[in-house]
Parts: sequence; C-alpha cells; structure tokens
Amino acid sequence: EIVLTQSPGTVSLSPGERATLSCRSSQSISSSYLGWYQQKPGQPPRLLIYGASTRATGIPDRFSGSGSGTDFTLAISRLEPEDSAVYYCQQYGNSFTFGPGTKVEIK
Amino acid sequence: QVQLVQSGAELKKPGASVTVSCRTSGYTFKFHYLHWVRQAPGQGLEWMGRINPDSGGTTYAQKFQGRVTMTRDTSTNTAYLELSSLISDDTAIYYCAKEKTPKWEVVRVCDYWGQGTLVTVSS
Repeated sequence: EIVLTQSPGTVSLSPGERATLSCRSSQSISSSYLGWYQQKPGQPPRLLIYGASTRATGIPDRFSGSGSGTDFTLAISRLEPEDSAVYYCQQYGNSFTFGPGTKVEIK
Repeated sequence: QVQLVQSGAELKKPGASVTVSCRTSGYTFKFHYLHWVRQAPGQGLEWMGRINPDSGGTTYAQKFQGRVTMTRDTSTNTAYLELSSLISDDTAIYYCAKEKTPKWEVVRVCDYWGQGTLVTVSS
C-alpha cells in the first residue's frame, strides 16, 4: 500500500505570506492520481487540486500544485484568514489513500 | 446542481451494524464511482472503499474487508454503506463522495461530498 507523508504537521503564518505544503509518497505515483483537499472544522473536504497541478472549479489562483514521482507540493500564496484549515493530499494507486494532513494557522 | 445528501446520525451498541445512505442528484449516477471516507474525532481522512454504481462492483480497503458492504439503488440514485461488528473505534463521521470524472477517465479525486453522518458506537 502506498503511504503518503505530509510536512510540516502544522504551519503558522501571517496574512499575505506564502505557505508551502509537502506531500511525499512511499512509491512513485502518476501525477494524474494526486489531489489536494482543504477541510475546515465541521465541514467535509473541499477539492482544491487534481492531477497534481490543476485547480478545481472555483479555486482561487492563490492555490497552486506541483510535483511528480514521489514529491508533490501545494503552495498558497498571499494567505488570507479564510485559508486556515487542514490540507490533505490524496493518491490513487490500486486504492485511495490520504496523507495525515497539514494544519495551516493564520496568525 | 450536484448534491449528495446523507442519512442522519446513528447511535449503535458494540457488535451491532449500521447502514448509512447517500442520496445523489444533479449528475448521472451510474457514470461516477462513489466513495466512502470516514473521519474519527480529531483525526484524518480514512478511505473505506468505492462502488461502481453502474455494475455494483466494489473495491474495499483491506482494513474493512469482511466487515463493510457497499450497495446502490439505481432507481433512486442512492448509495449505501453497511458496517458490521461495530467497535468504539468505529465512532466517526462517515462521508460519501462522488468521483470527479466518469469512470472511464483517469482522474481519481472526489469533487462533491455529502454532509457527513456521525456514527457513535457506545454501550
């Protein structure tokens, strides 16, 4: 089973700063099968990025995804207070798996 | 618009079974895999499996093999999750989620999610 590792566990930044979230896979995966989600308390996850780098419908261009193979990154430029959430990466190999999440706190 | 509406909260005793429903609308039900994901209190997301609403074929996460059953009713565009032999560690919010692209395409992410169903297992 493919295992996803996310770092850092928590990041605390000020509005306007840039956040860089890492997702590493235990095996090489196709970029087509890598997604990122945002989850706020009491809400279901929201799809941000699919195919490693394509923004989902309605997602601001402050969010960008990149990477290939085993290393993937979600960047959030110009942080806003509403970006405070937990961010999960997800891959599909022969089954779905989610990373443990990165919590983004806005100071 | 696409909607996934789940059944209400459940309180179950250890050893019992629970069934959660997910009524869908706004898209062609049989074209998109439907996934089930759970989240224990304060924890991350855990994939349980998926169903092909067209054929009824299922793929389950190994952890839940033998204890989970996913079914669907194409006449009502509704999917069902049944989890048996419940233990306290099964206390979680259970989500259904629609795969973004039709099953013959290769993008495997979920774009619409149900509101979640809290299942509490307690004696």
